[in-house]
Amino acid sequence: GAVVSQHPSWVICKSGTSVKIECRSLDFQATTMFWYRQFPKQSLMLMATSNEGSKATYEQGVEKDKFLINHASLTLSTLTVTSAHPEDSSFYICSASSPTGWLQETQYFGPGTRLLVL
Amino acid sequence: AQRVTQPEKLLSVFKGAPVELKCNYSYSGSPELFWYVQYSRQRLQLLLRHISRESIKGFTADLNKGETSFHLKKPFAQEEDSAMYYCACQGGSEKLVFGKGTKLTVNP
Repeated sequence: GAVVSQHPSWVICKSGTSVKIECRSLDFQATTMFWYRQFPKQSLMLMATSNEGSKATYEQGVEKDKFLINHASLTLSTLTVTSAHPEDSSFYICSASSPTGWLQETQYFGPGTRLLVL
Repeated sequence: AQRVTQPEKLLSVFKGAPVELKCNYSYSGSPELFWYVQYSRQRLQLLLRHISRESIKGFTADLNKGETSFHLKKPFAQEEDSAMYYCACQGGSEKLVFGKGTKLTVNP
């Protein structure tokens, strides 16, 4: 149980275009989803926290107008990188958690999405 | 704000040898500590959390509040333990903060 999927697994796009990444909890309802960014040989850095039905909370330094997050249902959150530039190239990872039952707020991670902006 | 330090970027041991991956944290309250593991080409997954006091795949970790440490240990390393290990700390309702990770290589 507690499987999180991401789509796509990798994407290459031209500078200036927008890219949408989906994160789904497959077998549980995730009241909270998290979006992380990981640079090569670096740790995961939290970008934002999203709760179903409300606006995402962004970490300091993360542009909310550039990284649009939507958490429309208990099983789906999307991250849209708007007007992507080469510096946005990175590995984006989502995680999902549920505060009830045996999951006990443990975060379960998706496999990540590799974004390359040319 | 909490901070997690993993002093070793790389750690290499031989199969059957004991292994210890160090983790120190800074947080003023009582945090929750986790170890996550990422095997080659796989997603990050929870290995263990201090609150559950479990031993997973032979790994254990003890929270030492005096030393603010949560070192991960295994008495006899196996080749399949080779992976990236991340220590993480969560204080209260704050975000989960990760260390930079330690790459463990277990040689045959």
